[in-house]
Amino acid sequence: NAGVTQTPKFQVLKTGQSMTLQCAQDMNHEYMSWYRQDPGMGLRLIHYSVGAGITDQGEVPNGYNVSRSTTEDFPLRLLSAAPSQTSVYFCASSVAGGPNTGELFFGEGSRLTVL
Amino acid sequence: GEDVEQSLFLSVREGDSSVINCTYTDSSSTYLYWYKQEPGAGLQLLTYIFSNMDMKQDQRLTVLLNKKDKHLSLRIADTQTGDSAIYFCAERPLGGKLIFGQGTELSVKP
Repeated sequence: NAGVTQTPKFQVLKTGQSMTLQCAQDMNHEYMSWYRQDPGMGLRLIHYSVGAGITDQGEVPNGYNVSRSTTEDFPLRLLSAAPSQTSVYFCASSVAGGPNTGELFFGEGSRLTVL
Repeated sequence: GEDVEQSLFLSVREGDSSVINCTYTDSSSTYLYWYKQEPGAGLQLLTYIFSNMDMKQDQRLTVLLNKKDKHLSLRIADTQTGDSAIYFCAERPLGGKLIFGQGTELSVKP
């Protein structure tokens, strides 16, 4: 079982460059989300989606775009990278609705450095 | 506002019990969760407790919930070096999204 797959695992960007972090899940989960993890700040929700064609903003959405054209894929786009976006990014998915929505399945993370 | 607080570090000796504490703010949270993050990996759900329970035990793990004080704890009995990880507490307010604490880094010394 692949679960949640994120690519790339590591990336270095220069300020102003754009890039896309890929996320794919093979569990037919309706809910997908992106978090960033920074030291001492836990995980902060960037964007999320409750199904194909539906996306919404989380706690820290500025500088990021998402789209959800299929159930399986949920890419995160950095429009113009800034050093403040240096972080570890996690994609997570779950079934939508009911008590199980707290059980998120996480990818292994993408470590991004912006110079 | 909604907030989940944890201490950042805990160090124990192998074989001792570890207790990781968490406070949360939203009394509407129906479920509270503990996630574990091993080095270089994503988070994995460790256990959860329904808000009408006081305690839940699962092998070496014991979760205690004090709903009045909005305090959650995770006790790991007979802590092993393989338990070294970051542990995240999380709450899910009614109708809202998961809110994570900052994570507690558990270091187990042989």
